[in-house]
Amino acid sequence: AAGVIQSPRHLIKEKRETATLKCYPIPRHDTVYWYQQGPGQDPQFLISFYEKMQSDKGSIPDRFSAQQFSDYHSELNMSSLELGDSALYFCASSLLFATNEQFFGPGTRLTVL
Amino acid sequence: AQKVTQAQTEISVVEKEDVTLDCVYETRDTTYYLFWYKQPPSGELVFLIRRNSFDEQNEISGRYSWNFQKSTSSFNFTITASQVVDSAVYFCALSSTGANSKLTFGKGITLSVRP
Repeated sequence: AAGVIQSPRHLIKEKRETATLKCYPIPRHDTVYWYQQGPGQDPQFLISFYEKMQSDKGSIPDRFSAQQFSDYHSELNMSSLELGDSALYFCASSLLFATNEQFFGPGTRLTVL
Repeated sequence: AQKVTQAQTEISVVEKEDVTLDCVYETRDTTYYLFWYKQPPSGELVFLIRRNSFDEQNEISGRYSWNFQKSTSSFNFTITASQVVDSAVYFCALSSTGANSKLTFGKGITLSVRP
């Protein structure tokens, strides 16, 4: 069965640079979620999209933006990177009004030097 | 606001011991979902179980079992006859059933199973 795809899997950036993380949900899933997991922390919700519209927003810095495209893939854009942005970024997809089982991708590990 | 508390931070057991991971939650929703995820050292989040708040039946899957008690807002997870491969961080999580169904995670419990 198809799973959630995230790219890249690893990313190394310098401070003040920009990064773009991509997420390809499971086919026919209508909702995408982004989570950030700092070292030794629990995953924290950043933002979600339902049918290409932003549906909810968590503690996402103003330096970050995201969108969902017509093919349902999503991108998380991160600008003016800071050391504290180093984390594992997960994307998850679900069928919103079904079981709310969120299927997680393998994550993108971002390191900011 | 929703909250998940995993009071245990680290647990260490010897292989074949049984171990219970505790989870207590808070929500004002009348319907909600509870989850357990496993995060091995490789980093991925592995889905273990989802429980609807309407369904208070306990569940068993192989060596895993879950005890949901709505009266005490708890959703505990027991591993029977633990194995070294069970070593991981385990997260309990909570979500609403409506449109804003983001997951709220607990802080996680690091389980170490020694041979």
